[in-house]
Amino acid sequence: NAGVTQTPKFRVLKTGQSMTLLCAQDMNHEYMYWYRQDPGMGLRLIHYSVGEGTTAKGEVPDGYNVSRLKKQNFLLGLESAAPSQTSVYFCASSSRFGLGGGEQFFGPGTRLTVL
Amino acid sequence: GIQVEQSPPDLILQEGANSTLRCNFSDSVNNLQWFHQNPWGQLINLFYIPSGTKQNGRLSATTVATERYSLLYISSSQTTDSGVYFCAVEEEGGSEKLVFGKGTKLTVNP
Repeated sequence: NAGVTQTPKFRVLKTGQSMTLLCAQDMNHEYMYWYRQDPGMGLRLIHYSVGEGTTAKGEVPDGYNVSRLKKQNFLLGLESAAPSQTSVYFCASSSRFGLGGGEQFFGPGTRLTVL
Repeated sequence: GIQVEQSPPDLILQEGANSTLRCNFSDSVNNLQWFHQNPWGQLINLFYIPSGTKQNGRLSATTVATERYSLLYISSSQTTDSGVYFCAVEEEGGSEKLVFGKGTKLTVNP
C-alpha cells in the first residue's frame, strides 16, 4: 500500500498562474482533507470531503477550489495564484468506521512557491 | 471553535534524557492525535488517543478527556527524535475536522 500520495512534490508559480495539486489514497477511506502549513504554524484546514462528489470548506478556503470525482482522489486547485499562497500543502485521509475510525493519515506534502 | 495549546513551544535535550510534552484543549473531543514532523517535513502518526494511555517503544501518551489535556512522554531521547510534535483534536459533535496546535519543537543534541 502506498498510503497517501501527492503530486507534484515541488512547484514554483508566478502570480496569476493556475495549477492543480493531486492527492491519491489507496486505503478506501471515505474522508479526505487538504491542509496548508506556514512557517512556525500548525496545519490549517483548507477544504475537505466526506465522500465522492462532496466537498466542504475548512478554516482557510479562500482562493482554492476542490473536487472529489473519484473516491480515491482529491484535487486542490489554485485558479489565480498569489504570493500569500506560498506554503506547504498536505493531503490527508481517514475512515470513520471501525477501531481507530477518524485517525487521519497524511501524504508527504507539496512545497509551493508563488513569485 | 476549539482551541489547542501545546507546551513548551521549544525544548532542547541531551541524548538520553526524558521529556513530557503537553496538549491542552478547550472543549470535549472525539479524536486526538499526536504527530511527529521530522526535519524533512514528513508528518508521522504517533498516537490516535482520544482517551486512555498507549505506549509504543520509547514513546507513550496519555489523554485525560475529562480534564481536557494529553501528554506525550519521550524516554531515553535520541537525535532522531528531533523535529516538531503536533497535537491535533477533533471537536466532539462530529465536526470531522482536526484542529492543530502550533507544536513543540524538540532538539536532541548528541
